[in-house]
Amino acid sequence: EAGVAQSPRYKIIEKRQSVAFWCNPISGHATLYWYQQILGQGPKLLIQFQNNGVVDDSQLPKDRFSAERLKGVDSTLKIQPAKLEDSAVYLCASRRAGATYNEQFFGPGTRLTVL
Amino acid sequence: GESVGLHLPTLSVQEGDNSIINCAYSNSASDYFIWYKQESGKGPQFIIDIRSNMDKRQGQRVTVLLNKTVKHLSLQIAATQPGDSAVYFCAENASGTYKYIFGTGTRLKVLA
Repeated sequence: EAGVAQSPRYKIIEKRQSVAFWCNPISGHATLYWYQQILGQGPKLLIQFQNNGVVDDSQLPKDRFSAERLKGVDSTLKIQPAKLEDSAVYLCASRRAGATYNEQFFGPGTRLTVL
Repeated sequence: GESVGLHLPTLSVQEGDNSIINCAYSNSASDYFIWYKQESGKGPQFIIDIRSNMDKRQGQRVTVLLNKTVKHLSLQIAATQPGDSAVYFCAENASGTYKYIFGTGTRLKVLA
């Protein structure tokens, strides 16, 4: 079974530029998560999707961050415009419907550096 | 690959010794807890979990202890190996939310 795929793996941009990350979850997984992991910290949930609907986006900075999962499969996370403090690893995770709590699988992440 | 734990607390242990990694959680309503292992350049990987109706659970070379009175978790790794070198996070989950809140993590270094 293929794992969660993310691209790009690395991205370097200047502040005020825009950037987008892509996630392809494990086939058949209805739940998709985006996390932000700042260096030296644990992952922080940004948004959770169930199919193509948003379950929780309470910690998403909506003035600059947006995410979508139009067909309930792939997802994109966008930052516009980026700030220095957005430098972090952005992790995508997925979980199948009806799975137990521990069945959340993470992708390798996209490391963003904002200069 | 880059390290995810440059500024994290670090635990250094000799190969073959036992490791104990501690975690304090924040929400007394949390009823499910997971330990994750994160190697450099990779996403977190599930190690072991425990529900709040238990105080101990054992896996292969790993044991998780839960003390709900003081909201404390620990991960014990027996006979620590070089491959155990990584950053370890605990995560808590409040019933029915499928929303995981991660702790700050501990970097484990295994010395040969």
